[in-house]
Amino acid sequence: GDSVTQMEGPVTLSEEAFLTINCTYTATGYPSLFWYVQYPGEGLQLLLKATKADDKGSNKGFEATYRKETTSFHLEKGSVQVSDSAVYFCALSTGNTDKLIFGTGTRLQVFP
Amino acid sequence: KAGVTQTPRYLIKTRGQQVTLSCSPISGHRSVSWYQQTPGQGLQFLFEYFSETQRNKGNFPGRFSGRQFSNSRSEMNVSTLELGDSALYLCASSLPGTGGETQYFGPGTRLLVL
Repeated sequence: GDSVTQMEGPVTLSEEAFLTINCTYTATGYPSLFWYVQYPGEGLQLLLKATKADDKGSNKGFEATYRKETTSFHLEKGSVQVSDSAVYFCALSTGNTDKLIFGTGTRLQVFP
Repeated sequence: KAGVTQTPRYLIKTRGQQVTLSCSPISGHRSVSWYQQTPGQGLQFLFEYFSETQRNKGNFPGRFSGRQFSNSRSEMNVSTLELGDSALYLCASSLPGTGGETQYFGPGTRLLVL
């Protein structure tokens, strides 16, 4: 079945460091891909999305490119801030429904 | 535009009881999905409703049920609660579903089963 695999956390970085969180997927058909973020005590917020191969999603300095050949959607940010500390979830949806399949989440901790 | 609202925000129940959670989607959104979030299992899909019809269902026992009303509001019910049902239950809504639509999540209902 369809699935999403994310790198294990926590990821611990100093402020202004470069961030990469790896995400790979397995899916039949052509999925849409998403990154969601969950701040402490809150629900999920969409960070960015891409709906077809080679699309790049971007928001708040974060970027991810839909790579069909490597079935990947890695999240990157050039310079992280303490306020980026949160749990990041990679997800996909396929077919004509909006059901999301999530990865296990990666906790990011940024220290000043 | 108001976001997705969920009530109640917190709930404490005992084993064997039943519980009903409510979700009001963003105005104009007709698709509502429910997810269970636990530390051990992560985020798992429960069910999806579109125009009052269940369009998709996750791998949960029949104790978990849901419905959607004509105004797109949705409820989920869990009967005969078990300790393992303690979780954050998240509701998400989206525009008329054609697939791949962005899901907008509510703050969740945190259920504790004692």
